Amino acid sequence: KNQVEQSPQSLIILEGKNCTLQCNYTVSPFSNLRWYKQDTGRGPVSLTIMTFSENTKSNGRYTATLDADTKQSSLHITASQLSDSASYICVVTEGDSSYKLIFGSGTRLLVRP
Amino acid sequence: ETGVTQTPRHLVMGMTNKKSLKCEQHLGHNAMYWYKQSAKKPLELMFVYNFKEQTENNSVPSRFSPECPNSSHLFLHLHTLQPEDSALYLCASSQKTGTSNPDEQYFGPGTRLTVT
Repeated sequence: KNQVEQSPQSLIILEGKNCTLQCNYTVSPFSNLRWYKQDTGRGPVSLTIMTFSENTKSNGRYTATLDADTKQSSLHITASQLSDSASYICVVTEGDSSYKLIFGSGTRLLVRP
Repeated sequence: ETGVTQTPRHLVMGMTNKKSLKCEQHLGHNAMYWYKQSAKKPLELMFVYNFKEQTENNSVPSRFSPECPNSSHLFLHLHTLQPEDSALYLCASSQKTGTSNPDEQYFGPGTRLTVT
């Protein structure tokens, strides 16, 4: 069964610290992997999209990595800010259908002052 | 905001009611989506419309009925819902290019639905 597993489920860090969120997937065939940020009460907003041939992509203080061999991805947040408090969702696209998105359950991040 | 709007933002309805959720995208996209997000569960794709034609119905019960009158508007008609249908319903849109490049999905803020 195609699945996307994220860890940890929740995380609390102090403002200014770095953190790394993990995503493991079993989706096959694989097309691309996305990271979304979802603030409470809002829709998800895309942070990065990576295809099979890409192993790292940055968006400001967010850096995503992808290891297609081990089927793992990570999202690294540098110098965290209070506004980074949100759920971070890993999403894998199955096959060549760009709308068959398999969503992870997300990691809830809380950044404290 | 993202250019995708949804109304209402909150809805409480009884199991015998009929209501509709509305989504509008102002991005000129050609594909629209309905998702369901239940508490502590991953987002679930419900319906996909590509150029106003439904191309995906992800085994959704018939008490959910989508309608896409044009490429900018998407509705989700609700009738005789169950309490377990309470969730955040998200609409999204994207521009399908017909190439292998992944198309970005832009989400609306969602409608928080409570079925009593």
